[in-house]
Amino acid sequence: EAGVAQSPRYKIIEKRQSVAFWCNPISGHATLYWYQQILGQGPKLLIQFQNNGVVDDSQLPKDRFSAERLKGVDSTLKIQPAKLEDSAVYLCASSSRGRTGANVLTFGAGSRLTVL
Amino acid sequence: AQSVAQPEDQVNVAEGNPLTVKCTYSVSGNPYLFWYVQYPNRGLQFLLKYITGDNLVKGSYGFEAEFNKSQTSFHLKKPSALVSDSALYFCAVRDQTGANNLFFGTGTRLTVIP
Repeated sequence: EAGVAQSPRYKIIEKRQSVAFWCNPISGHATLYWYQQILGQGPKLLIQFQNNGVVDDSQLPKDRFSAERLKGVDSTLKIQPAKLEDSAVYLCASSSRGRTGANVLTFGAGSRLTVL
Repeated sequence: AQSVAQPEDQVNVAEGNPLTVKCTYSVSGNPYLFWYVQYPNRGLQFLLKYITGDNLVKGSYGFEAEFNKSQTSFHLKKPSALVSDSALYFCAVRDQTGANNLFFGTGTRLTVIP
């Protein structure tokens, strides 16, 4: 099966600019996650969708980050305005078992953001 | 609150020798435990998971992990390391009470020396 697709792979912007990342999950996967991975740290959950509804966005800095999953398939993560500390790899993942805790997440290759 | 500790930032092992990457966890109740591997410029790949049952879990590429409830550990092991095993390894935990956040450790970089 095709994997989780993400774009762009790399993005360099200046602080206060905006950026958007796109994710296409594995076909049929109802649950979609966005993680932020800062260099030297483990991935941290930003937001989780079940179909097109938000399950958990408690770690999302809502003053600058937003995400949507229209029609329960593709998702877009936006940062506006970006700060230096937003430099990270943004990982999208999907899973097929809904809210079951034992489900395995399949990750995309990530989008590396550098904020200057 | 959930947490994961990977006490070693870096592990070096000679090719052909056994390897261990350590992980300890803290959750409320019983855990779901996972190991993922990350190669350069690639996303995380699932290796194995512990849900219930046998404490020794076997996964991809010859890796296995042992769940130890009393020590709250889930160490990753392989009997004979390959150079191609060199990568960044992440332990992750989720509790079984319904919380959905998969909480990751900070990662351990494994280098297998030829």
